[in-house]
Amino acid sequence: GIQVEQSPPDLILQEGANSTLRCNFSDSVNNLQWFHQNPWGQLINLFYIPSGTKQNGRLSATTVATERYSLLYISSSQTTDSGVYFCAVTNSGNTPLVFGKGTRLSVIA
Amino acid sequence: GAVVSQHPSWVICKSGTSVKIECRSLDFQATTMFWYRQFPKQSLMLMATSNEGSKATYEQGVEKDKFLINHASLTLSTLTVTSAHPEDSSFYICSARVSGLYTEAFFGQGTRLTVV
Repeated sequence: GIQVEQSPPDLILQEGANSTLRCNFSDSVNNLQWFHQNPWGQLINLFYIPSGTKQNGRLSATTVATERYSLLYISSSQTTDSGVYFCAVTNSGNTPLVFGKGTRLSVIA
Repeated sequence: GAVVSQHPSWVICKSGTSVKIECRSLDFQATTMFWYRQFPKQSLMLMATSNEGSKATYEQGVEKDKFLINHASLTLSTLTVTSAHPEDSSFYICSARVSGLYTEAFFGQGTRLTVV
């Protein structure tokens, strides 16, 4: 099956700093999503981005499907950005998302 | 976005008892829902695919007799952990998509199960 690798596994940032999270996948995809898992475990949808670029406030994402990677950019980080960021993909129809291992982000004041 | 509601958010049960977790799509119909399990500091692992009106499909290594899935309607899937043991303690989370190809998936709030 499709493999998803995320980097870095852990990241510590000073408040106000910018960061880039990467997601590599092993096969072509037709669905790629970025999530933020908050301390209570809830998965928050950040982006549905099988290709192209999207922006939402301080967050933006780019997926280069032909090169099989996606990037999540966080600008002017805040302590509330802390948590785990997951990339998840699927490559056929109504099949389940396959998750990467996540990037654990800690933003310190 | 679409809303998926999961209940309960947390549950503590005694070893040997059964626990039922509900997953509802509130504002859309979902012919297929997915159940994941997440252990501490790990990623989400797919347990099973729940299909409305038919049997669930389980991933390799997941005991279908222990984790009973019922998808009786287009808006409700349930996961019952039978004869729970401490090793079943985990975070269980469901997912659904609006019917159609390549659409965004939404997740419930998750259920934290502790078996004592």
